[in-house]
Amino acid sequence: GAVVSQHPSWVICKSGTSVKIECRSLDFQATTMFWYRQFPKQSLMLMATSNEGSKATYEQGVEKDKFLINHASLTLSTLTVTSAHPEDSSFYICSARGGDSPRGYTFGSGTRLTVV
Amino acid sequence: AQSVTQPDIHITVSEGASLELRCNYSYGATPYLFWYVQSPGQGLQLLLKYFSGDTLVQGIKGFEAEFKRSQSSFNLRKPSVHWSDAAEYFCAAYSQFSGGYNKLIFGAGTRLAVHP
Repeated sequence: GAVVSQHPSWVICKSGTSVKIECRSLDFQATTMFWYRQFPKQSLMLMATSNEGSKATYEQGVEKDKFLINHASLTLSTLTVTSAHPEDSSFYICSARGGDSPRGYTFGSGTRLTVV
Repeated sequence: AQSVTQPDIHITVSEGASLELRCNYSYGATPYLFWYVQSPGQGLQLLLKYFSGDTLVQGIKGFEAEFKRSQSSFNLRKPSVHWSDAAEYFCAAYSQFSGGYNKLIFGAGTRLAVHP
């Protein structure tokens, strides 16, 4: 079945630095990738949607200059948290979809970001 | 606006007992419906999904869900719960008619605890 690999699974960084999270579709071409943020004991909140080769579409309230998303190929999307602060600490999950069908959502295993 | 509601934040059942997790949706048209399970610190695993046809859907791990249009519900059930079922469960919906681009919307989640 479809597999999405997310890396790293956890990262600790200092306040003010930037962190990059990768999301790869291993056995299919992901025309669309989604980035979610999840606070402890809460649901997943969609941050942005990215289509290969085009700019990401951000949800209302998400700072596009802080959360940089790149979807340069059909198998890789990256989320970069720039100038991270402790309030950015969260669980970030990516999801990839091949084609336009809702049938093909596959989720990565998530990245736990801690900013100290 | 489209929404997915999971009325129960936390449910505790005894091992071997039956389980029903509730999910209601609010959409203009019937959306595609999903149930996901998330273990602590992990990504999401798809349990089952409903697109059309038979309103009783069978999933993995012995789960099933029933779509009821009249009640705008998609409740998840399992006849006999195992201790390993303890996790967070998310109901999600997707509509091609949501306007703008299509996206998966999640409920708040239900945390399931299983007593031995």
